[in-house]
Parts: sequence; structure tokens; C-alpha cells
Amino acid sequence: QVQLVQSGAEVKNPGASVKVSCKASAYTFTDFPHYYIHWVRQAPGQGLEWMGWIRPTTGDTKYAQKFQGRVTMTRDTSINTAYMELRGLTSDDTALYKCVRVSTGWYLDYWGQGTLVTVSS
Amino acid sequence: DIQMTQSPSSLSASIGDRVTITCRASQGISNDLGWYQLKPGQAPKRLIYDASSLQGGVPSRFSGSGSGTEFTLTISSLQPEDFATYYCLHYHYYALTFGGGTRVEIK
Repeated sequence: QVQLVQSGAEVKNPGASVKVSCKASAYTFTDFPHYYIHWVRQAPGQGLEWMGWIRPTTGDTKYAQKFQGRVTMTRDTSINTAYMELRGLTSDDTALYKCVRVSTGWYLDYWGQGTLVTVSS
Repeated sequence: DIQMTQSPSSLSASIGDRVTITCRASQGISNDLGWYQLKPGQAPKRLIYDASSLQGGVPSRFSGSGSGTEFTLTISSLQPEDFATYYCLHYHYYALTFGGGTRVEIK
């Protein structure tokens, strides 16, 4: 069974950066060129917000305009793990961050359990 | 950027009720739209893809319709397990846009 397991909760000061990991199991990044890893977040009491994606086989990325210049998505194929780094954190970035595998037909088929990032001084 | 406006943001309904949720796109998006159901502590579940195609294994009481700028998700007879939050999702040019979500609660 495919699983995406994310790193644990983080508490950060305003202005800091956070890097969240997403480790995939039961499938190998490099074997599936059409599968992408997307990142979405959900602030308390708010809806889902798309942040961007990485194509693990090539490292290609696309970011939502809102996060351009502040987010970087990377991957390490040797350990089947994707990463999302967000810089310049403010209280508005307090949210549950989730990685999502998107397969053929834009099917968001597997989701990580989420990583709570709290930004507070 | 295309915006997806979902309504209502919440609704209260009884078992057996017919429920309709709407998503409007700020410009035409053909049928590049899906509907997802989210429950706390569970993996999100796709109900509908390409605006009107029922995902395998999803009960037939769920249906989707629309094309262009207006889309609907209908639950023909609400069941206890349907109380959840529903999102429309537009996929386009390798990007995603979520609607604001609709929380379906028990009346």
C-alpha cells in the first residue's frame, strides 16, 4: 500500500524557514515519470490551498504565484523523499501542510498525514 | 489566474435530503474539474472527475454536472457517512485550484 509519511510538527519564529519532508513507500519515484508530488496547505478554519508541485523523476517544479520566491520544492530520489521549504514565515503561514501524489488524470490519489507548522513568537 | 467560487460554504441537511453544491469558475475551464470529500483523520476521497464521471467505488447517489464555468455536485439522498467537507478542484496547465469548500452538517 502506497504511503506518504511526513515529518513532524514544527514551531517557528516569524522570519524563519521550515523544511517539511514527505517520504514515499511502496512505489519508487523514478519508476513513475507521470506521478507528481504536490503540496497543499490548510490554515486553521480555512480551505485547501495549492502551493506547487515537483516531478520527482526530473526535479522540475511549478509553484503557485503566491509562493514564488519563497518556496522551494526538492527531492532526493535515493531515499524516495520530497521536500518543501518555505522561507520568510509569518503567522499567516501557520497551517497543516500536506504532500499529495497526483497520478494520471489529475488524480490526487495518496495524501501525507500532514505536518503542522506553527509560526509564533 | 482562474478562481473557483464554491457555495454554500456550509449547509445543514437531514438524512435522505437532496444536496447540491456549486462551483463557479472565473473563466471557462471546459470539464477540468473534480470533486473531493474530506473527513477528519481520513484520506481525502475523489468522488467525481472530469466534471461528471463517477470515480470507481463511489456510490451512485453522488453525481456531478456542468461544463464551462458552472458545476454542481449532487447527493441525491444524504446518508450518515456523507457528513463531511467537499471541495471542487480545477486542474489546469499543471496547476491546481481548489474551491473554498462546503461543510455538510447534520440538521
